Amino acid sequence: DTAVSQTPKYLVTQMGNDKSIKCEQNLGHDTMYWYKQDSKKFLKIMFSYNNKELIINETVPNRFSPKSPDKAHLNLHINSLELGDSAVYFCASSQKWDTDNEKLFFGSGTQLSVL
Amino acid sequence: AQSVTQLGSHVSVSEGALVLLRCNYSSSVPPYLFWYVQYPNQGLQLLLKYTSAATLVKGINGFEAEFKKSETSFHLTKPSAHMSDAAEYFCAVTTSGTYKYIFGTGTRLKVLA
Repeated sequence: DTAVSQTPKYLVTQMGNDKSIKCEQNLGHDTMYWYKQDSKKFLKIMFSYNNKELIINETVPNRFSPKSPDKAHLNLHINSLELGDSAVYFCASSQKWDTDNEKLFFGSGTQLSVL
Repeated sequence: AQSVTQLGSHVSVSEGALVLLRCNYSSSVPPYLFWYVQYPNQGLQLLLKYTSAATLVKGINGFEAEFKKSETSFHLTKPSAHMSDAAEYFCAVTTSGTYKYIFGTGTRLKVLA
């Protein structure tokens, strides 16, 4: 079983459209994240959720709205897509406050191309 | 606040040669440090981590790293490079008090035949 799974793997869309990316983890972790990786491979945190509660919002435009229906799921909805949103989006999870198991588990990424 | 700096965005080594990828960190509290590897078109995979136990950490695929507090470094090494080691490598830091992992800008490792 895949530990952190996200769908779709590829997303090609026009400017101005609205799209969603879904993420699920079966590790029982309390904390989930969205990271954006740009064309230069730079990884930047976007959001962090702990037990369905938003903990971190790293000055992401409000066109991006994460939603966590339960602690195993963290979805990302993007309104009015812009060219600059083209990137690879990674979902991840971790079990914070557990030193022995402190690490991030990543999904395989969603490559978003805005035309 | 925490940060990591990876020196060298591209590193090339010959097959069989030593691999050394550099990472320096900044943290006002004891850090947890990680090295992740990303193969083309894939997600990130954990190579190894330091979480305040042994300062010399061994990971998968023959990689190891040493936490040096005096130098604020966590460099990644492998005695003998293999062609399959060609990938992007990321150093990352977190602490027990934050809900974020901060990544370095990555180092692309190229292995020459």
